[in-house]
Amino acid sequence: NAGVTQTPKFQVLKTGQSMTLQCAQDMNHEYMSWYRQDPGMGLRLIHYSVGAGITDQGEVPNGYNVSRSTTEDFPLRLLSAAPSQTSVYFCASRNRGPGNTIYFGEGSWLTVV
Amino acid sequence: AQTVTQSQPEMSVQEAETVTLSCTYDTSESDYYLFWYKQPPSRQMILVIRQEAYKQQNATENRFSVNFQKAAKSFSLKISDSQLGDAAMYFCPSGNSGGGADGLTFGKGTHLIIQP
Repeated sequence: NAGVTQTPKFQVLKTGQSMTLQCAQDMNHEYMSWYRQDPGMGLRLIHYSVGAGITDQGEVPNGYNVSRSTTEDFPLRLLSAAPSQTSVYFCASRNRGPGNTIYFGEGSWLTVV
Repeated sequence: AQTVTQSQPEMSVQEAETVTLSCTYDTSESDYYLFWYKQPPSRQMILVIRQEAYKQQNATENRFSVNFQKAAKSFSLKISDSQLGDAAMYFCPSGNSGGGADGLTFGKGTHLIIQP
């Protein structure tokens, strides 16, 4: 009963490095999203996808790239890490259809030094 | 665009008592959904309850119930018989029907403390 799986759970990067946060779901959900949560804040939408091959920007997309080659996977790429990208990142998925429950991964803690 | 406001940064309640967390929202959408999520120190996001905006009846889930006032754009969460395990951050995001942008809009949350 995996649900939404994110890797890695913890990562420390140096400024300028690139990396990919992996997200996989086994519920055959069409919709997937990436959020970030900064200290004392709620989650903010980075990018989302409504199906394989379709992605779009959310509220805070700068510095991030996504792709959706399969229904199951939705990786988030940091192109050139900056200290401002230090945050907790959440991947989420849900079924198509209005108001369906959104399932979140356990989060990935990223520190950029 | 949607906005969500949680005006209580922190709330404290005695174990076994009742507490109400406030939430107001603003949206231009005609069809939308409201949720309460709980986030314990582990940071896991756990769905507590959801409400469809077109439904007048308030949602309930065991000890959790909402007071949804559509005209006032208010969506409060009542927790009855508070338990130590209820201690967490609580968020009340809103979401649209998912036809276009698919994401939740979050407020800053309310930190709920349960006093034993």
